[in-house]
Amino acid sequence: KAGVTQTPRYLIKTRGQQVTLSCSPISGHRSVSWYQQTPGQGLQFLFEYFSETQRNKGNFPGRFSGRQFSNSRSEMNVSTLELGDSALYLCASSLEQGNRYGYTFGSGTRLTVV
Amino acid sequence: AQTVTQSQPEMSVQEAETVTLSCTYDTSESNYYLFWYKQPPSRQMILVIRQEAYKQQNATENRFSVNFQKAAKSFSLKISDSQLGDTAMYFCAFISGTYKYIFGTGTRLKVLA
Repeated sequence: KAGVTQTPRYLIKTRGQQVTLSCSPISGHRSVSWYQQTPGQGLQFLFEYFSETQRNKGNFPGRFSGRQFSNSRSEMNVSTLELGDSALYLCASSLEQGNRYGYTFGSGTRLTVV
Repeated sequence: AQTVTQSQPEMSVQEAETVTLSCTYDTSESNYYLFWYKQPPSRQMILVIRQEAYKQQNATENRFSVNFQKAAKSFSLKISDSQLGDTAMYFCAFISGTYKYIFGTGTRLKVLA
């Protein structure tokens, strides 16, 4: 079965712009979580969506937002980009909320803000 | 606050040898789950092994096994018969009733031919 698909794989944006990242979870998975990965901060939790509702949120500013559609696909949006937003953004899907059985991750979107 | 600590930023091991990666965590909860994830240069994180805190038996998946010491809040990963394909970043992770995963900072493992 198909894995978790994230698009695009690479993105270069200018400071002040906004960006939308997409994630298609494994078929049947209803939970999608987003993480930001940087060399300095490691993996930081952004938010989790389950059945189109945000169930959990990390400590990121309001410029970071997301949504989930009825087919479980999720998008993440970052507005007014800052240089510090440059990172690998990982999407992870699971069957249930707050997955106790482990995530299936996508390959990530590498965002570079210049 | 719940924390996960991986004290070894980098490690190396000869092919076919055994290596142990350390992880300690801090929590006041009694029911939780622990994981090891592997992130090769391809960037995709892969679940290696999972441990339920209420189970005393250490989890094993082929060449990968854990040493889970609940009282000491320690969760180390042992890789036996190391292979070149094991070269990757390894992350220890924890989840409890708050449903938020907490990841360690990772250990970069290099397997040498």
